[in-house]
Amino acid sequence: GQNIDQPTEMTATEGAIVQINCTYQTSGFNGLFWYQQHAGEAPTFLSYNVLDGLEEKGRFSSFLSRSKGYSYLLLKELQMKDSASYLCAPRGGTALIFGKGTTLSVSS
Amino acid sequence: EPEVTQTPSHQVTQMGQEVILRCVPISNHLYFYWYRQILGQKVEFLVSFYNNEISEKSEIFDDQFSVERPDGSNFTLKIRSTKLEDSAMYFCASLQNSNQPQHFGDGTRLSIL
Repeated sequence: GQNIDQPTEMTATEGAIVQINCTYQTSGFNGLFWYQQHAGEAPTFLSYNVLDGLEEKGRFSSFLSRSKGYSYLLLKELQMKDSASYLCAPRGGTALIFGKGTTLSVSS
Repeated sequence: EPEVTQTPSHQVTQMGQEVILRCVPISNHLYFYWYRQILGQKVEFLVSFYNNEISEKSEIFDDQFSVERPDGSNFTLKIRSTKLEDSAMYFCASLQNSNQPQHFGDGTRLSIL
């Protein structure tokens, strides 16, 4: 079967660093993607990993361990506008398989 | 930056009616997708389309659904006989090649009455 597990909610303060963890089980694996989704809007692409290790992209980094079925998204220097849902989405075949997402609330 | 465009932004339809949701993918993209998101729930894959045929579909994509690329720019999702539970946000996505991330349109909110 296919299963993606992320914490439901997280809170943090402006300027802080937050790590959102994701564990996954999929039939087939072709990369893992992280998307941000504000309420009522479309998912927007943040980062992705095909191989093990850390990918850094500005304030956002993502890590992957394929053997452990584990990824995390690291957000640095948090801003109020980072309050959103963060979606872990492994790709099996050509389709993205989305988890329920982690709702991050950033306070001042 | 080029983007995926979807029309209409909101569609209200009576149960049992047919509805067509339209998407214009990014022009040089080759892979096209439909996803849906019921309010408060996760994004769910419906179907992927490549080289003028369906390459993958989920259990949700049953006989009431169909997709078409009628010309070089549009990609449509048809729901033949809508049900109340089809009410959701429908997202179209496209990508250039299989190693790239999918780019999502702003979505069509479908409300079935």
